[in-house]
Amino acid sequence: DTAVSQTPKYLVTQMGNDKSIKCEQNLGHDTMYWYKQDSKKFLKIMFSYNNKELIINETVPNRFSPKSPDKAHLNLHINSLELGDSAVYFCASSQAGEYGYTFGSGTRLTVV
Amino acid sequence: QKEVEQNSGPLSVPEGAIASLNCTYSDRVSQSFFWYRQYSGKSPELIMSIYSNGDKEDGRFTAQLNKASQYVSLLIRDSQPSDSATYLCAVNKAADYKLSFGAGTTVTVRA
Repeated sequence: DTAVSQTPKYLVTQMGNDKSIKCEQNLGHDTMYWYKQDSKKFLKIMFSYNNKELIINETVPNRFSPKSPDKAHLNLHINSLELGDSAVYFCASSQAGEYGYTFGSGTRLTVV
Repeated sequence: QKEVEQNSGPLSVPEGAIASLNCTYSDRVSQSFFWYRQYSGKSPELIMSIYSNGDKEDGRFTAQLNKASQYVSLLIRDSQPSDSATYLCAVNKAADYKLSFGAGTTVTVRA
């Protein structure tokens, strides 16, 4: 069983479109995250949710809207996609107080 | 100043040698420190965590932490070609719901 699963794995879309990435974890963790990894491999936090509540919104454009229907799911919706949004997006989860994150396999987003 | 800085790579070592990776962090209240390994096209995988000053060994990996110097390192002994990857240093502050990552150091082990 995959611990943190993301779909889709690859996403190619045109500028201006709206797309969503889904994430689910079966580890029983109470905290979930979205990270963006750019072409230089730098991993940067975007959002952090604890028990469905938004804890961190790290100066991300409001075209990005996370949603957590329950503590096992964290989805990311992106409006009006721009070329600069091309990156790999990783979902991760952890148990509060323990910081060994488990990462999903990533979604490679390419905006053309 | 970046929150987490790693020694610039790439680092190339012969098989069987020791690979030494360094990381410094800017915030003195940081409490938890991690090393992740990321193979090309894959997700980061936790390989070491360290919380107190000193050394922590796990197999061929040794993490070293010096909070006074705000420095954490990772040694890979008897390097194998399968160790070729990018190694990410990550730091967390108490009650902070995020890990801050360094830019990574790419290691290549030459057979």
